[in-house]
Order: sequence, then structure tokens, then C-alpha cells
Amino acid sequence: KNQVEQSPQSLIILEGKNCTLQCNYTVSPFSNLRWYKQDTGRGPVSLTIMTFSENTKSNGRYTATLDADTKQSSLHITASQLSDSASYICVVSAIRGGGADGLTFGKGTHLIIQP
Amino acid sequence: GAVVSQHPSRVICKSGTSVKIECRSLDFQATTMFWYRQFPKQSLMLMATSNEGSKATYEQGVEKDKFLINHASLTLSTLTVTSAHPEDSSFYICSARGVSSGEVETQYFGPGTRLLVL
Repeated sequence: KNQVEQSPQSLIILEGKNCTLQCNYTVSPFSNLRWYKQDTGRGPVSLTIMTFSENTKSNGRYTATLDADTKQSSLHITASQLSDSASYICVVSAIRGGGADGLTFGKGTHLIIQP
Repeated sequence: GAVVSQHPSRVICKSGTSVKIECRSLDFQATTMFWYRQFPKQSLMLMATSNEGSKATYEQGVEKDKFLINHASLTLSTLTVTSAHPEDSSFYICSARGVSSGEVETQYFGPGTRLLVL
């Protein structure tokens, strides 16, 4: 069964600090892995998308890594800002399987940035 | 860049009424649109998949007669919650899959519609 596990479930850090969110998956056959940011009461917004051959991708202060061998990904946030407070969702796309959308969603990490 | 819009963003209705939610893809043609439901602190759960001009495919456990989906064009899909009840209260998110100019095929999510049934 395709699964995506994220950790930690929630995280509180001080403004300006860095943090790393983890994502482990068992989706197969793997197509790509995406990180989304979801603000409360809003739809997910794409941060990064990585295919099998990519092991790192950056988007501003967000850097995602992918280890396709161990089926792990991380999202590193540098110099956090109050606006980074949100849920961060790891979504893995299968070439087939998962839902009809081919996606398996993690439950997300709820990040709170404190001033 | 590609954008998906939803309307309304928030709706409150009485039990037994029907509610229509619109989902539009802007600046790109969506080959497929998806409808999700998200309960507090839970993952997005796929409800149905629709392709333009064909009937929607519903996930197991989702009542097709209750959640009517119409995908009239490559840029518009609608979800109608018929005879809504309080247990239908949720956050409904649409997503459009397609190719925006200069990008690979990807999936864009709408901002969501908060439905509260009294």
C-alpha cells in the first residue's frame, strides 16, 4: 500500500531559526515528489517538485532533498519568517496507483514560527 | 503562472439545500480536474476525478448522486453538494492538472471552499 509519512507532526521554532521537515514514502513505482505549503483555510501551494534523478531543489529559502534509494525526502527552511507558519505537505506521485490522481498525500507537518 | 480559482471561498447554508462550487483554471487548459475534501488536521482526500466532456470517476465511498460534478470545459469544473447536511461541512479543494506554458505537466490546487451546513 502506498504511504507517505511525515515528521514531526508539529513543530514550533523561533523566527530566524532554521528547521528541517522529513518525509518517508513507500510509493511505487515512483514518479515524483512534491512539497506543498498550505496556509490555514487555503489550498496547497507548490514549493518544489523533484523527479527520480534530482536529489535537491531550492525555491528561495526552501530547499528540498530527495534520496530515492532510501525513499526519504526533507524540506529545509532557512532563516524562518512568521509567514512560514503553515502546514507543509509531502505528496508523492506514482506512475500508476495511488488514487486516481496518482498522488499519495502525507498528513503534513504543522509549523509555527514564534516571534 | 498557472492559477486555479474557486468560488465561493466560503459558504454557509441550511441543511437540505444544494451548494455549487466552481473551479476554474486560469492561463492553462486543465486536461483533468480533481475534487478533494479536507477535514481539520487531516490529509486531502480525493473525492472524484473529472475529464472535460466525460462523466466523473468517484472514489470509493463518495456518493455520485450527492456530489454532482460537471466538467463543461477545459477551464471549468463544478461540484454541487446536493441536499447538504451538517456532516458535509468541510473544506473542499479542487485541483487542475495540465501544462502551463514552459512547464512540465503538474497539478495546481485551488484556494479551497469552506462549506458550513447548519
